[in-house]
Amino acid sequence: EAGVAQSPRYKIIEKRQSVAFWCNPISGHATLYWYQQILGQGPKLLIQFQNNGVVDDSQLPKDRFSAERLKGVDSTLKIQPAKLEDSAVYLCASSLTYRGLGYTFGSGTRLTVV
Amino acid sequence: KNEVEQSPQNLTAQEGEFITINCSYSVGISALHWLQQHPGGGIVSLFMLSSGKKKHGRLIATINIQEKHSSLHITASHPRDSAVYICAVAEETSGSRLTFGEGTQLTVNP
Repeated sequence: EAGVAQSPRYKIIEKRQSVAFWCNPISGHATLYWYQQILGQGPKLLIQFQNNGVVDDSQLPKDRFSAERLKGVDSTLKIQPAKLEDSAVYLCASSLTYRGLGYTFGSGTRLTVV
Repeated sequence: KNEVEQSPQNLTAQEGEFITINCSYSVGISALHWLQQHPGGGIVSLFMLSSGKKKHGRLIATINIQEKHSSLHITASHPRDSAVYICAVAEETSGSRLTFGEGTQLTVNP
C-alpha cells in the first residue's frame, strides 16, 4: 500500500517569500491533517480536513497560512509571506476515519526560512 | 503542565537491553498512539491503542485507561531502534486530532 506522499522534501526560501507544500493521502482516507513540527518540539495540528471540508483550523495562523483540499483528495498548504519562525517540518497525515483509524504520516517537508 | 507527559526525555541503552518508555496523560481519550521518528525522517505509527496491550515483533504497548498511563517496551534492543519515540493522544472531545508528548530520544549503543 502506498503511503502518504509529500513534496517537496526540502525547501529553503527567504523571509517574505511564498511557499506551497503538497500532500497526497492514502487512497480512501477521508481525513487529512497538516502538522507543524518545530525543532525539538512535538507536532502541532494546523488544520484537519474531513473529505474537502475543514474540521479544525483553530491553530492555523490565518493571516499567512492557507490550505485547501479540493475534491477531497490532494491537499496544498501555503505560507504567504513566510517568516523566520515558520522554519519547521510540515507533516501531512491521513486516516481512514474521523476517529483516527489507520493514522499514517508522510515523510514531511523541511522548510528553512532565511 | 502538558496534557501528555513522557519519561524519560532521553534514554541510552546497550544493545540487548529491555527498554521502557512511559506516557501519562490528563484528559479523557478515545485512543493513544505510539509513534517513531528517525532523525530527518517522517513519523511512523507503531501502535494505536484504546485498551489492553498490543505486540508487534519486539515492541509491546500497554495502556491503563483508569490510571491514564501507557508504556512502550522494546525487548532485545538494537542500535537501529535509536529514534525519538512519541506518545500522542486523541482526546474524546476532539475527534482524531492528536495531542503530542515531547518525545523520548532513545540511543542504543552496540
